[in-house]
Amino acid sequence: DADVTQTPRNRITKTGKRIMLECSQTKGHDRMYWYRQDPGLGLQLIYYSFDVKDINKGEISDGYSVSRQAQAKFSLSLESAIPNQTALYFCATASGHKYNEQFFGPGTRLTVL
Amino acid sequence: ILNVEQSPQSLHVQEGDSTNFTCSFPSSNFYALHWYRWETAKSPEALFVMTLNGDEKKKGRISATLNTKEGYSYLYIKGSQPEDSATYLCAFIQIRDSNYQLIWGAGTKLIIKP
Repeated sequence: DADVTQTPRNRITKTGKRIMLECSQTKGHDRMYWYRQDPGLGLQLIYYSFDVKDINKGEISDGYSVSRQAQAKFSLSLESAIPNQTALYFCATASGHKYNEQFFGPGTRLTVL
Repeated sequence: ILNVEQSPQSLHVQEGDSTNFTCSFPSSNFYALHWYRWETAKSPEALFVMTLNGDEKKKGRISATLNTKEGYSYLYIKGSQPEDSATYLCAFIQIRDSNYQLIWGAGTKLIIKP
């Protein structure tokens, strides 16, 4: 079984709809991250969390919100989706070791029409 | 604004040839530099975590070096094989005034020609 899972894997939605992307991990890691990836660009950090109830904005947090309900779960919400939020979204986890490498989920492809 | 640049953007290499590419990052407040390998239709996977100036890491035919004073890291692949085809990403981590910042490069897409 995968250590980091994301649901859904693919989603097509309409402008203005509220969307939630879920991430779960069984690695026991404290740190969790949400990224988006657009063609030709690197991974852009949306939000990250170093522990339950710890939420930090990344470089492109506008239009997104997150919830860290438990150590193993980190969800990303688009309150009112817009077409330029069409992208590939990745969740990642990392241990609390200070030079931690990140472990990625399989990605969610989101299309906003 | 922190900028992490990877060059070249893409690279075609003949099977059996060796190759290398670069990740450039700010030289101040360095904390760590990660290299990841990202195969098509899969998720990025960590290759190396580099923390000290002069670090050299090796995994099979792939190796990396780090120069924090001048702000660059090289990734080398010796004797390229088709399975090396992937996008190679670097991620720069800086801690400044207790603020943690992680910035990714756009990647170098490596295509190995049989």
